[in-house]
Amino acid sequence: QKEVEQDPGPLSVPEGAIVSLNCTYSNSAFQYFMWYRQYSRKGPELLMYTYSSGNKEDGRFTAQVDKSSKYISLFIRDSQPSDSATYLCAMIKSGSEKLVFGKGTKLTVNP
Amino acid sequence: GAVVSQHPSRVICKSGTSVKIECRSLDFQATTMFWYRQFPKKSLMLMATSNEGSKATYEQGVEKDKFLINHASLTLSTLTVTSAHPEDSSFYICSARLSGTKETQYFGPGTRLLVL
Repeated sequence: QKEVEQDPGPLSVPEGAIVSLNCTYSNSAFQYFMWYRQYSRKGPELLMYTYSSGNKEDGRFTAQVDKSSKYISLFIRDSQPSDSATYLCAMIKSGSEKLVFGKGTKLTVNP
Repeated sequence: GAVVSQHPSRVICKSGTSVKIECRSLDFQATTMFWYRQFPKKSLMLMATSNEGSKATYEQGVEKDKFLINHASLTLSTLTVTSAHPEDSSFYICSARLSGTKETQYFGPGTRLLVL
């Protein structure tokens, strides 16, 4: 079992839809949780990061962490074609500095 | 803020030559930089962690003599692929961690290397 599991998709939604992206993890040592967006042939862009369980909101994006279930989510409201990209969850363990990535979910928002 | 640049963005070279890739944090200091490799439709694979003024720490299976890393200043790290072969062709991405933080790694745009 991989440390971080993420459904690679692809996920295709109509413009304006609410998108839900998820990752699960197996090691409770993970303490920091990030979501990155990667456009084709570009480097990942940090969207959000959280430390504790709960929700964090930034514009149309909401990151949710449930440490008891070892489950994190990213919600995108009012999705736009420009949101079409691969979304990577990433985590850091306590005492480490290394990012552990999920496989990434490819999202397409259709106009 | 928090911009990381990489140069070159794309390079094509002959087998056996060496290629140097630069990673710069443009508007912040980064005591730690990371080098990743990404294959098509795959996630990022950490190659090494680079700390300013000290030797890089390589991940298991990554040849340190082949992938030379230098982190000479708080804003610059370089990756040199020595004696490149076609199997080294890949997308190389660096990231820089904001000094004093743990979670904020900012990534460069990547360098696409093609070895003929």
